[in-house]
Amino acid sequence: AQTVTQSQPEMSVQEAETVTLSCTYDTSENNYYLFWYKQPPSRQMILVIRQEAYKQQNATENRFSVNFQKAAKSFSLKISDSQLGDTAMYFCAFMNNAGGTSYGKLTFGQGTILTVHP
Amino acid sequence: NAGVTQTPKFRVLKTGQSMTLLCAQDMNHEYMYWYRQDPGMGLRLIHYSVGEGTTAKGEVPDGYNVSRLKKQNFLLGLESAAPSQTSVYFCASSKNRQVSTEAFFGQGTRLTVV
Repeated sequence: AQTVTQSQPEMSVQEAETVTLSCTYDTSENNYYLFWYKQPPSRQMILVIRQEAYKQQNATENRFSVNFQKAAKSFSLKISDSQLGDTAMYFCAFMNNAGGTSYGKLTFGQGTILTVHP
Repeated sequence: NAGVTQTPKFRVLKTGQSMTLLCAQDMNHEYMYWYRQDPGMGLRLIHYSVGEGTTAKGEVPDGYNVSRLKKQNFLLGLESAAPSQTSVYFCASSKNRQVSTEAFFGQGTRLTVV
């Protein structure tokens, strides 16, 4: 079984600055996906970014980028030019893509509450 | 686009009562899931379904039952609610393993058991 750990329960950042959220995971698999989901106060889960384990290049989506360190089993999220709308809970998640039995099941970390201050 | 819709959005139950949460998706997705979200624990998988008529247990299935009689609907039942089932419940769906890895979530149901 895999585990996902987010060791920062809360983070804060000033508007326009950069912040990095940490995530580590444990798995014996080689073929998997990693995700960052955003959950604003509305409760809606929004996919922020996705990384395929076999791709060495770090994924980027506009102001959001990841630092994927496969050997260290680390997957951090960097938010550049933080905006007030980035205030939310952020979840790191793992999905095993090996074999035929994963069926898209996600394993989530505990979450990090990010507050962006004006 | 409706996407994934959960009914109801809020509910208060008394201990021992039963209820059913309904999840409906209009994206023709094969896979559907029920998660629960608790403070400090993230989301945990309760049950999932890989197609109409099939269900399987997730990480925390005790006290819950599910059914998927129609491809677009996935029902989560609590036969005898307990205070430990106070949580926010999320339904999600994804197309299938070969086509897409993205899961689409409903807006959540906040359930309080008193």
